[in-house]
Amino acid sequence: DAGVTQSPTHLIKTRGQQVTLRCSPISGHKSVSWYQQVLGQGPQFIFQYYEKEERGRGNFPDRFSARQFPNYSSELNVNALLLGDSALYLCASSLALDRGGEKLFFGSGTQLSVL
Amino acid sequence: AQSVTQLGSHVSVSEGALVLLRCNYSSSVPPYLFWYVQYPNQGLQLLLKYTSAATLVKGINGFEAEFKKSETSFHLTKPSAHMSDAAEYFCAVTKSNFGNEKLTFGTGTRLTIIP
Repeated sequence: DAGVTQSPTHLIKTRGQQVTLRCSPISGHKSVSWYQQVLGQGPQFIFQYYEKEERGRGNFPDRFSARQFPNYSSELNVNALLLGDSALYLCASSLALDRGGEKLFFGSGTQLSVL
Repeated sequence: AQSVTQLGSHVSVSEGALVLLRCNYSSSVPPYLFWYVQYPNQGLQLLLKYTSAATLVKGINGFEAEFKKSETSFHLTKPSAHMSDAAEYFCAVTKSNFGNEKLTFGTGTRLTIIP
């Protein structure tokens, strides 16, 4: 079975532009989460979606938005890009919601560079 | 709020030596604790998780961690380091009643293995 897949793997944008990152969860997984990992730091939680509904949001500005589709894939959108948005964006999927300790599967990420 | 502190951003050990990576947590409720490993240009892989079932947790690749409530610690150990263990290691915490989608990560420890 395929793991969590993310596209594109690398992306270069300029300040002020908009970007869309895509994620396909493991087959059967209904929960998708997004994390931002700035170089030299641990990942930070951005969003969590389950059954197409937002179930959690981290401390990120409204420039960040996401959605989940009926097939459980997800997109992360970032508007008005800033230099500080340069990071590795990780998508993670899991089977369900609110099952403590449920194993989370991460994709390899999208490396976004904002120039 | 939950948080974790990883002591030592860089750790170097000789091949065959004991690996000890330190993690201390802060949580207002019984925590779920995790250790993840990240190899270069890859996503995160779960090494092990503590979900209150047993204080000594065994994970993949010979790693284990012990939950010590009195010390609020969850240190990661491996008796004998292998060259393939060179990677970035992240400790993470979540509330037990939420699930692991909203993980709070530490800043990471880069492990270098000396031949």
